[in-house]
Amino acid sequence: EVQLVQSGAEVKKPGESLRISCKGSGYSFTTFYITWVRQMPGKGLEWMGRIDPSDSYTNYSPSFRGHVTISVDKSITTAYLQWSRLKASDTAIYYCARQYSGASHDYWGQGTLVTVSS
Amino acid sequence: QSVLTQPPSVSAAPGQKVTISCSGSSSNIGNNYVSWYQHLPGTAPKLLIYDNNKRPSGIPDRFSGSKSGTSATLGITGLQTGDEADYYCGTWDSGLSAGVFGGGTKLTVL
Repeated sequence: EVQLVQSGAEVKKPGESLRISCKGSGYSFTTFYITWVRQMPGKGLEWMGRIDPSDSYTNYSPSFRGHVTISVDKSITTAYLQWSRLKASDTAIYYCARQYSGASHDYWGQGTLVTVSS
Repeated sequence: QSVLTQPPSVSAAPGQKVTISCSGSSSNIGNNYVSWYQHLPGTAPKLLIYDNNKRPSGIPDRFSGSKSGTSATLGITGLQTGDEADYYCGTWDSGLSAGVFGGGTKLTVL
């Protein structure tokens, strides 16, 4: 069974760093890109970026490039989304998803709620 | 502002049909496959349609997808109250070298 299991909810202060994770199982992890998607409170889905677990090649949305870092450790089939300095506007639910055919996403993690507040 | 444009909301009665449009450009929908997702609050989005018109295993044929030029459409027939959700289109944008989603459409089954 294909599963993407994300790390738990986080509460952080502005300026702090954070790394959340997404562990894939039940499939060949290096065969499919992992995408990160943001949903801010009351808003829609936003494509943030993706990583090829086989070689760590990344694409970022212009809206997120330079603000987050996507990485992967294929030895433990886990992808990461990282911030060096959080802002209140980073408060959102973050989903990881497996990229399937035609840039669709067939399996999704359960989401990680990140709350940034002083 | 989303790169892909969807109507904010649509509504229809149980048993009826509804369509949701997704408008883009030649750099995204015009030259790439479109996918559609159903998203219920507090849950992970679910893939309904990929490659413009294909349904993953387990998705009923009440859901259909089509694409023409720089626009795509999701159709849902035999509406059920359980279909009330937010629906998103998505595709790749070759100009941005990034994926993009529509702004989402809230479906109300009256």
